[in-house]
Amino acid sequence: EDQVTQSPEALRLQEGESSSLNCSYTVSGLRGLFWYRQDPGKGPEFLFTLYSAGEEKEKERLKATLTKKESFLHITAPKPEDSATYLCAVQGDNSGAGSYQLTFGKGTKLSVIP
Amino acid sequence: GAVVSQHPSWVICKSGTSVKIECRSLDFQATTMFWYRQFPKQSLMLMATSNEGSKATYEQGVEKDKFLINHASLTLSTLTVTSAHPEDSSFYICSARRGSPGLAGGETQYFGPGTRLLVL
Repeated sequence: EDQVTQSPEALRLQEGESSSLNCSYTVSGLRGLFWYRQDPGKGPEFLFTLYSAGEEKEKERLKATLTKKESFLHITAPKPEDSATYLCAVQGDNSGAGSYQLTFGKGTKLSVIP
Repeated sequence: GAVVSQHPSWVICKSGTSVKIECRSLDFQATTMFWYRQFPKQSLMLMATSNEGSKATYEQGVEKDKFLINHASLTLSTLTVTSAHPEDSSFYICSARRGSPGLAGGETQYFGPGTRLLVL
């Protein structure tokens, strides 16, 4: 069974204070690791897909990296508008017999204080 | 690209009535759509997987006769909550799978904005 653990559960940063969010996973045959951002009362917004260890992707102040056991979402010089819950999800070879299901972590709630 | 819409965005209904929620992929064809439920301060819980033209696959513990799913076209899936009760009040979110031709590995799901259901 695929498992995803995110840490910390909540993170408060001062504006401009860089940090990283962690996503540890166990999966049988990783097909993809996904990062989403979710604002209160809204659906998740897609950020990145990572397919293999060593891969990195960047978007504005966000950078996602992947190893064989975990992924990090690095936030550089965050702004208050980066405040949201960040969700990590994996898709493995056993994801529902070809249905491409995702297994989500519980998320990290990020608050960036001006 | 990769925009998914849901309608309605919120609905209030009386106990015992049925509610239909629509999920549309606006700028791509979605062979597979997913329906999730999310409780306050919790992560997404997959309810069912819906493939175009075939019956939905429900997760363990989800009543298929209560949560009717229809995926009639490559851009539209509907979730009908039948005989809704207060315990069905929740945030329902759909997603659509968009394939990445030529790329090995997983395929990305794009999510709708969600529908807030309140059953009185």
